[in-house]
Amino acid sequence: GQQLNQSPQSMFIQEGEDVSMNCTSSSIFNTWLWYKQDPGEGPVLLIALYKAGELTSNGRLTAQFGITRKDSFLNISASIPSDVGIYFCAGRGSGAGSYQLTFGKGTKLSVIP
Amino acid sequence: GAVVSQHPSRVICKSGTSVKIECRSLDFQATTMFWYRQFPKQSLMLMATSNEGSKATYEQGVEKDKFLINHASLTLSTLTVTSAHPEDSSFYICSAITRAVFQETQYFGPGTRLLVL
Repeated sequence: GQQLNQSPQSMFIQEGEDVSMNCTSSSIFNTWLWYKQDPGEGPVLLIALYKAGELTSNGRLTAQFGITRKDSFLNISASIPSDVGIYFCAGRGSGAGSYQLTFGKGTKLSVIP
Repeated sequence: GAVVSQHPSRVICKSGTSVKIECRSLDFQATTMFWYRQFPKQSLMLMATSNEGSKATYEQGVEKDKFLINHASLTLSTLTVTSAHPEDSSFYICSAITRAVFQETQYFGPGTRLLVL
């Protein structure tokens, strides 16, 4: 089946620093989604990408859909303490069961004030 | 974004009992809902896909007789964990999509924490 490699697994950064995380896939995806999950909560959608090469921003967050359709990155600029959480990438393929998402293992972000 | 709710938010039950978890799409009609399970410090694992008016499709390794799914309306799907055991303790999360949106995006509920004693 499809697999997503998300890195890094965890990050400790100083408040104000920029953050970058990425996901790579063994197969092509038609959609890339980035979610943030706080402890005890469901994932919240941050950015959705639908087209290869697409670069989309949401406030301090920027994500890109790789041109090969096998990767995506998420950048967070000028991090603040409330950015703490686990960030998941998710990809959606095509064909039968195409609504299903494949999730990365997550990147745990810690921000030091 | 679209709003998905889950009830209850947490439940504690005795081993051998059944637990029902509800997932509702509050401001849109969800033709398809998904049920995930998440163990501590792990990613979300898809359990089943629930389509309104038809039988759910279960992922490999998920017992359909143990995890009963009913998607009776366009705004409600239920997951019943039958004869729950301690190893079923987990965080159960549902998500929903709508066919009305050209570019489908999954919106997640807040999750249900199940603890089986």
